[in-house]
Amino acid sequence: QVQLVESGGGVVQPGRSLRLSCAASGFTLSRNAMHWVRQAPGKGLEWVASISYDGSRKYYADSVKGRFTISRDNSKHALYLQMNSLRREDTAVYYCAREPPNRFGELFWYFDLWGRGTLLTVSP
Amino acid sequence: SYELTQPPSVSVSPGQTARITCSGDALSKQYTYWYQQKPGQAPLLVIFKTSQRPSGVPERLSASSSGTTATLTIRGVQAEDEADYFCQSADSSGNHVVFGGGTKLTVL
Repeated sequence: QVQLVESGGGVVQPGRSLRLSCAASGFTLSRNAMHWVRQAPGKGLEWVASISYDGSRKYYADSVKGRFTISRDNSKHALYLQMNSLRREDTAVYYCAREPPNRFGELFWYFDLWGRGTLLTVSP
Repeated sequence: SYELTQPPSVSVSPGQTARITCSGDALSKQYTYWYQQKPGQAPLLVIFKTSQRPSGVPERLSASSSGTTATLTIRGVQAEDEADYFCQSADSSGNHVVFGGGTKLTVL
């Protein structure tokens, strides 16, 4: 079954750190660029970060640059998001998202498969 | 920063046609993508590369773009189409993703 399953969310105090994970199954993760997208409660979608198929290129939204780090381990079929210096405004459901495979290695910058998300709450 | 603008809400009766717009300067140069999100669910890609429909998406959903405005059209709206719809593109640099604020489609 082709799916993405996020984990690692929870309640954390402002200023603390947390790492989210995304497990991929049913497809060859190493062929796809991957992304994190978040959605604050009752709000719209916000792109967070992206990583190329081989991890050589990484991109971040201005709101998280310098605090969040995206990474991947293709051998473990996993995507990660290390989040440091967390703020209240980081409270959201975090989705792992895949984009279609691109044999030229460039990013398509859209998402054809999403996980169900994991909720992060930043609160004192 | 780059923005995509959508109407907050659109309401239609069953069987009618719903049109949801998305406006932004970079849309004249970048593809537009559309996602459907139902309550408690993850977003679902319904249109890619401005007007193409993934397999499994009903033919009554279509999309187009003209200048800086993209439009998602749902013909013969059904109750199951009630959802939030988000447009998405890349900014002019091509390496940042931007989402519209979302449009809640209500089927009366």
